Amino acid sequence: QKEVEQDPGPLSVPEGAIVSLNCTYSNSAFQYFMWYRQYSRKGPELLMYTYSSGNKEDGRFTAQVDKSSKYISLFIRDSQPSDSATYLCAFNNAGGTSYGKLTFGQGTILTVHP
Amino acid sequence: SAVISQKPSRDICQRGTSLTIQCQVDSQVTMMFWYRQQPGQSLTLIATANQGSEATYESGFVIDKFPISRPNLTFSTLTVSNMSPEDSSIYLCSGRQGVDTEAFFGQGTRLTVV
Repeated sequence: QKEVEQDPGPLSVPEGAIVSLNCTYSNSAFQYFMWYRQYSRKGPELLMYTYSSGNKEDGRFTAQVDKSSKYISLFIRDSQPSDSATYLCAFNNAGGTSYGKLTFGQGTILTVHP
Repeated sequence: SAVISQKPSRDICQRGTSLTIQCQVDSQVTMMFWYRQQPGQSLTLIATANQGSEATYESGFVIDKFPISRPNLTFSTLTVSNMSPEDSSIYLCSGRQGVDTEAFFGQGTRLTVV
């Protein structure tokens, strides 16, 4: 079993749609949960960061964490063509030998068409 | 967040040669990491670059192939040695102050080995 599974696969939506991206994880030691956005030929940039179960909003973006189900989601409201990018979930242990290292999901390529 | 300048941004190299990638951070960071990413794929951690000591490598990556330097808290290099076409990939450096802080990335180096 992979430590992180991200879905869906490549996603194409019309402008204005609500987008839902999801990751499940198996490592109970993950304590920090992140979403990164990566534009073509650029490095990833942090979108959302949280360490507790529940919802966190930032503008059109909402990150949701359910630690009991080992499940995180990213919702994008009123999606725009400028949201077209690869979205990566990322996880971090609180300590031990994995201190500071991030474990990434496979990424979802999102295309928002006008 | 801090800014990482990574260079070169891309290169085409002959097999059997070596390439050194440099990352300069505009502020001091405790942790630096090197990742590899196939286009459209997730990030795979190569190693953690420790200031003042040897780098710590992940399974499947060895120092002879990917020597790393970290002479101070703002700079690191990764060398890809004795390259083969299988080393063609995007290489990314990342910096971080702690597990409860953002991990930020350079723009990546797109390497093609011919």
